[in-house]
Amino acid sequence: AQSVTQLDSQVPVFEEAPVELRCNYSSSVSVYLFWYVQYPNQGLQLLLKYLSGSTLVESINGFEAEFNKSQTSFHLRKPSVHISDTAEYFCAVSYSGYSTLTFGKGTMLLVSP
Amino acid sequence: KAGVTQTPRYLIKTRGQQVTLSCSPISGHRSVSWYQQTPGQGLQFLFEYFSETQRNKGNFPGRFSGRQFSNSRSEMNVSTLELGDSALYLCASTPGGLDTQYFGPGTRLTVL
Repeated sequence: AQSVTQLDSQVPVFEEAPVELRCNYSSSVSVYLFWYVQYPNQGLQLLLKYLSGSTLVESINGFEAEFNKSQTSFHLRKPSVHISDTAEYFCAVSYSGYSTLTFGKGTMLLVSP
Repeated sequence: KAGVTQTPRYLIKTRGQQVTLSCSPISGHRSVSWYQQTPGQGLQFLFEYFSETQRNKGNFPGRFSGRQFSNSRSEMNVSTLELGDSALYLCASTPGGLDTQYFGPGTRLTVL
């Protein structure tokens, strides 16, 4: 069965520190990979995605993720976080030919001053 | 373009009742998917509709059903509500299905 593992349920960091949120997926076929962010009492917002091409993808607000096929990983990084980055982050995968998303359990990023 | 809209945003029902949730996709999007989000199970896929046809279905009991109209708007229905159906129900739309999903704000259902 397809699965996505987010190894950390909660990651506390100080403002301006770097952060990495880890994501691994199980697959033997082509995949599309996504990171979504959810702020309290809101829906999911697309942060970034990997469909094909360059394995390093970036978002407009400083996040980046690298697709590593050999390690089946798609870790999310930011070199310097802000208080406003406090939210829950979900890694998701869809498999070639299908739009249905399989989500990880989510990682709560807690940024403190 | 307006985003995905869901109505109502909040609902309170009692066990045994039924409920209908509505989703309007982004203009031009023809595929609508529904997900259930709970603290225990996380985000789980319910079903997907494309051009008024159910194209994919998750592992949920038959009490959960949906439909899509000719204008791509979708509804999901849950009959004989149980306490465990309390959740945030999220709708997502894509242009043709095999693309990035854009989510609405969700409907928070509380079953008492």
